[in-house]
Amino acid sequence: KNEVEQSPQNLTAQEGEFITINCSYSVGISALHWLQQHPGGGIVSLFMLSSGKKKHGRLIATINIQEKHSSLHITASHPRDSAVYICAVNFNKFYFGSGTKLNVKP
Amino acid sequence: DTGVSQDPRHKITKRGQNVTFRCDPISEHNRLYWYRQTLGQGPEFLTYFQNEAQLEKSRLLSDRFSAERPKGSFSTLEIQRTEQGDSAMYLCASSLGWDMGEQYFGPGTRLTVT
Repeated sequence: KNEVEQSPQNLTAQEGEFITINCSYSVGISALHWLQQHPGGGIVSLFMLSSGKKKHGRLIATINIQEKHSSLHITASHPRDSAVYICAVNFNKFYFGSGTKLNVKP
Repeated sequence: DTGVSQDPRHKITKRGQNVTFRCDPISEHNRLYWYRQTLGQGPEFLTYFQNEAQLEKSRLLSDRFSAERPKGSFSTLEIQRTEQGDSAMYLCASSLGWDMGEQYFGPGTRLTVT
């Protein structure tokens, strides 16, 4: 049983498209994190949120606590956005989704 | 500060050998975490420290695994009698505060057990 489920697992988009990645979780949480992992393994934290919505550049993250659901949106996608996007929640410890592999084609 | 660093970046070892990895967190961070990630999967929690105290260990951390953070700064993760199933990326992260806040990840150590 996975505490964190992400969809889709793989996503291919054309440059400029609007992208949405979804995350559902089954545990009560203190916060939800969106992480970006590039080939080679390095992970960068994009957002940490416990309610509402956050925006950073072309990235927007939303969370609905009642529905236990979060979305990560990328507007005007670019090939450099190609990476694995991982949703993680913390409730005493971290639970990670298996990631969404995004490939943005020029 | 240059962020979280890990050493080595890659390790190839033969089954049955012991290996030790090091993680240097961001200097003012009091929390340090170890994760394991296998190909195509998200990271899995192994253990974490608050200063020098190891507060939680995952059941994934068998008796062959041990982690230390003796002075509340750098940490080591040792795997004894390595098995092929130990092959993975071992990630370290650190954070500041008294709950699991925003974490800063190191580049990882990729272990291959032959």
